[in-house]
Amino acid sequence: EAGVAQSPRYKIIEKRQSVAFWCNPISGHATLYWYQQILGQGPKLLIQFQNNGVVDDSQLPKDRFSAERLKGVDSTLKIQPAKLEDSAVYLCASSAPYRGPNTEAFFGQGTRLTVV
Amino acid sequence: RKEVEQDPGPFNVPEGATVAFNCTYSNSASQSFFWYRQDCRKEPKLLMSVYSSGNEDGRFTAQLNRASQYISLLIRDSKLSDSATYLCVAGKSTFGDGTTLTVKP
Repeated sequence: EAGVAQSPRYKIIEKRQSVAFWCNPISGHATLYWYQQILGQGPKLLIQFQNNGVVDDSQLPKDRFSAERLKGVDSTLKIQPAKLEDSAVYLCASSAPYRGPNTEAFFGQGTRLTVV
Repeated sequence: RKEVEQDPGPFNVPEGATVAFNCTYSNSASQSFFWYRQDCRKEPKLLMSVYSSGNEDGRFTAQLNRASQYISLLIRDSKLSDSATYLCVAGKSTFGDGTTLTVKP
């Protein structure tokens, strides 16, 4: 089974520039998550989609971050404009249709963003 | 105060040792609990789910205490390959900051 695919793996941009990340979840997984992981911290949920609808975006800095999941499959996360503190690994995860509270989420390898 | 708090570590133990990690969570409505393992510069991977009755998978045992809002992970007979950061998750998506384990020969 193919895993969660993310691209690019690495990105270096200057502050105030824009950047976009792409995620392709595991086939058939209805739920998709974007996390931000700053060095030394655990992943922080930015946004959760169920199919193409947003379930939770309470921690997404909406003045600069946006995400979409057109057609309920692939997703993109955009930052515009980037700040130095956005330097982090951006992880995408997906999970299968709900099978109970312990339904596992599978993570992609992440995109490592450095803002200079 | 963070929603999920873990022992910061690091834990440095010899091979064969038994080590325990603790995690507390603040949201009493949480229904899902997990332990994930994250190797350096890699993505998190599920180690085990945590059930109310406690559960065991080989050398790993997880416990949940809902009254105290507390989760634990016990690793017996530590191996060098157990060296990693262990992330506690309460609710579907709230991660702790992880505890780093280094197992030494």
